[in-house]
Amino acid sequence: KNQVEQSPQSLIILEGKNCTLQCNYTVSPFSNLRWYKQDTGRGPVSLTIMTFSENTKSNGRYTATLDADTKQSSLHITASQLSDSASYICVVRPLNNNDMRFGAGTRLTVKP
Amino acid sequence: NAGVTQTPKFRILKIGQSMTLQCAQDMNHNYMYWYRQDPGMGLKLIYYSVGAGITDKGEVPNGYNVSRSTTEDFPLRLELAAPSQTSVYFCASSRIAGGPLNEQFFGPGTRLTVL
Repeated sequence: KNQVEQSPQSLIILEGKNCTLQCNYTVSPFSNLRWYKQDTGRGPVSLTIMTFSENTKSNGRYTATLDADTKQSSLHITASQLSDSASYICVVRPLNNNDMRFGAGTRLTVKP
Repeated sequence: NAGVTQTPKFRILKIGQSMTLQCAQDMNHNYMYWYRQDPGMGLKLIYYSVGAGITDKGEVPNGYNVSRSTTEDFPLRLELAAPSQTSVYFCASSRIAGGPLNEQFFGPGTRLTVL
């Protein structure tokens, strides 16, 4: 079983709408949690990073939340744009290990 | 800065052939990584390097080899290609390994098909 599970696997929304992507993890203890955006045919690019003591982090229209007690994180996208169409990957780094754990990603499609 | 560059972008191999995937970074990062990404799966670490001359296995190293003769370059070698190695390969680099500043910068990927 993967240590980082993301849901939904895919999501289609209309331009201008909001959406929330989920990440559940079992990695413990962990150092930090990142959300990456991966455009089709490109490598992942970091959106946000949170340490275990942070609850929320924003980057423009992207807001990530973290509940270390329930081991859940979410990425909320506000007022979606066509350029938000991409895969969003949750990545957790264990505290005493450099081997990051990647979720399988959520494929978001924003339609006009 | 070009960041992390990878070549080739696409490649088709026959079973048993060999090839080297090239990766270079111009950010003077000590840490470099090779991942594979299969459909519906998270990225899996193949090999990583903490500096020139030092490499170590990741989660899925079988069938691959690496070398790190310089800080900039980290090639990945497939010796006897198998269909199971059909995947998209990403190279990444980071300034440090741990802590909040451990962002990994990824290359554009190499799509490899083994037939």
